[in-house]
Amino acid sequence: DAKTTQPPSMDCAEGRAANLPCNHSTISGNEYVYWYRQIHSQGPQYIIHGLKNNETNEMASLIITEDRKSSTLILPHATLRDTAVYYCIVRVVAAGNKLTFGGGTRVLVKP
Amino acid sequence: DAMVIQNPRYQVTQFGKPVTLSCSQTLNHNVMYWYQQKSSQAPKLLFHYYDKDFNNEADTPDNFQSRRPNTSFCFLDIRSPGLGDAAMYLCATSRGGAGEGEKLFFGSGTQLSVL
Repeated sequence: DAKTTQPPSMDCAEGRAANLPCNHSTISGNEYVYWYRQIHSQGPQYIIHGLKNNETNEMASLIITEDRKSSTLILPHATLRDTAVYYCIVRVVAAGNKLTFGGGTRVLVKP
Repeated sequence: DAMVIQNPRYQVTQFGKPVTLSCSQTLNHNVMYWYQQKSSQAPKLLFHYYDKDFNNEADTPDNFQSRRPNTSFCFLDIRSPGLGDAAMYLCATSRGGAGEGEKLFFGSGTQLSVL
């Protein structure tokens, strides 16, 4: 699976949009971009995924650049409960394929 | 309505004393995973089961073993815990399909301390 690069940490203000970047310049054509987050003392939680089109669900939006070498996770209105480590992962979709975590971004939402 | 359940939440063991961590799931998923997460690090995959097929990661120490007696349960056995094995152990499940929407569902983890 392709390697990802994320900033180690970032702060954002409560109620504002949080934009989390991820670089995956070596991504292959059959690899998807997944985002998970891990709130302190809990297991990781799936947020969203995409291949090349922008995606939106009730939790977040995912913007993938046209060349697919980077993406941005957007939390539209950050709340204090969004404080967590956010992991950007690229993986090939195959039966039983595993999930490999990189460093992640530690996001602190401040009042 | 917990779907992936790990017990206990906290486990203390002695150096060299075997310990077993348990995971159960109500999702009827085919795949069960065990991850190790040390403080301030990302989760690291130890191994996973696809149904009854065991898949070990190349760098997982022999000290770590796993059993999956049925679809719902999976166990992590640490034969001789060392101080370096103190960590959060996370269990996860997935359906095991090849679709893009394949997601992993994680339990809350077991925090293991080794004295």
